[in-house]
Amino acid sequence: QKEVEQNSGPLSVPEGAIASLNCTYSDRGSQSFFWYRQYSGKSPELIMSIYSNGDKEDGRFTAQLNKASQYVSLLIRDSQPSDSATYLCAVNEGGYQKVTFGTGTKLQVIP
Amino acid sequence: KAGVTQTPRYLIKTRGQQVTLSCSPISGHRSVSWYQQTPGQGLQFLFEYFSETQRNKGNFPGRFSGRQFSNSRSEMNVSTLELGDSALYLCASSLTLGSETQYFGPGTRLLVL
Repeated sequence: QKEVEQNSGPLSVPEGAIASLNCTYSDRGSQSFFWYRQYSGKSPELIMSIYSNGDKEDGRFTAQLNKASQYVSLLIRDSQPSDSATYLCAVNEGGYQKVTFGTGTKLQVIP
Repeated sequence: KAGVTQTPRYLIKTRGQQVTLSCSPISGHRSVSWYQQTPGQGLQFLFEYFSETQRNKGNFPGRFSGRQFSNSRSEMNVSTLELGDSALYLCASSLTLGSETQYFGPGTRLLVL
């Protein structure tokens, strides 16, 4: 059973701080990694994807991947109250395999 | 370009009944995946369809089935409903099979009484 693990939270950070969200996965053959944001009562939306070791930056978001340690993380700089949501980590083994989601980490940004 | 649409948005059924949910992907997208989301289990993969064929399947009982039409629209059916089937059912569309980016619809919230 391929697994994707996330701390359910809630993770509370003050406005303007850096929020760090972590995810570990069990399948060493995984090739594609995604972070989705899901606001309460809404559907998930893709915010970042990463495929190779290292960092990938997009605005205030940075995804970090370490395949040797089998973890992927998401950093949100200058956190805003509008970032308060559940963040889902998703992993794809590659090829035409299905995507496996973690259960999500709830982030609360305190004004 | 219109997003993914799902109908109905809300549904109340009783145990033992069956239900059919519909998903229309983004125009030009040919792959449709279905997920079940519950507070305890998170987002769980049901199945993926591409070119009217089921390409991947999750670990759900045979009561859960689906199909895809030639216009890429997809339906999923749940027969003999159980209380535990109460969940948000999400459809996601992507350009092609194995496409990295999935776009989710608003979901159908099913309540089984």
